[in-house]
Amino acid sequence: NAGVMQNPRHLVRRRGQEARLRCSPMKGHSHVYWYRQLPEEGLKFMVYLQKENIIDESGMPKERFSAEFPKEGPSILRIQQVVRGDSAAYFCASSPDGITDTQYFGPGTRLTVL
Amino acid sequence: DQQVKQNSPSLSVQEGRISILNCDYTNSMFDYFLWYKKYPAEGPTFLISISSIKDKNEDGRFTVFLNKSAKHLSLHIVPSQPGDSAVYFCAARNTGGFKTIFGAGTRLFVKA
Repeated sequence: NAGVMQNPRHLVRRRGQEARLRCSPMKGHSHVYWYRQLPEEGLKFMVYLQKENIIDESGMPKERFSAEFPKEGPSILRIQQVVRGDSAAYFCASSPDGITDTQYFGPGTRLTVL
Repeated sequence: DQQVKQNSPSLSVQEGRISILNCDYTNSMFDYFLWYKKYPAEGPTFLISISSIKDKNEDGRFTVFLNKSAKHLSLHIVPSQPGDSAVYFCAARNTGGFKTIFGAGTRLFVKA
């Protein structure tokens, strides 16, 4: 009964490098959400995806950030040319359908940009 | 633009007493409200929710109250236990919307 899995749990990158964060939803869940939590702040919605489709990316920064959820494999949040301000905890959540009230969260990936 | 506000960053309560965590929202389109609990180095876990057609929902030691006219909700934990010490996030969404908007969280300390 595996929950939502995220890896890596900790990621260190230098400015200008790329960061790839992975999320495997719970078994049977086809809806994935990404959130970012900056220090001392709440979780900020970034993007909502279904298999092979981006449904709502209104919370994604316009540049350098992208997300995908391919037919096979985990969802990927990709950050190109990272800057110090990208340092945060990134959480993935999944749900069995898009209108359910409960999203199940993974443990998060803590990204540190040096 | 903070649509969901948790104005108390922290709260300290004695074991056995009641913990009351408060949350205010500004968007009148929100019709579903949730509370999540988060321990350090873990993701948030769903605790309890309430629909806007209700004003109270209870689950064991946890009760959520909703005052729509005041755009205010609160989470009551009674009796509080040391294991309840965590960060509690209030969240809101509107039917048909995909976004869940989170507050900044309140850190609860329950002293033994």
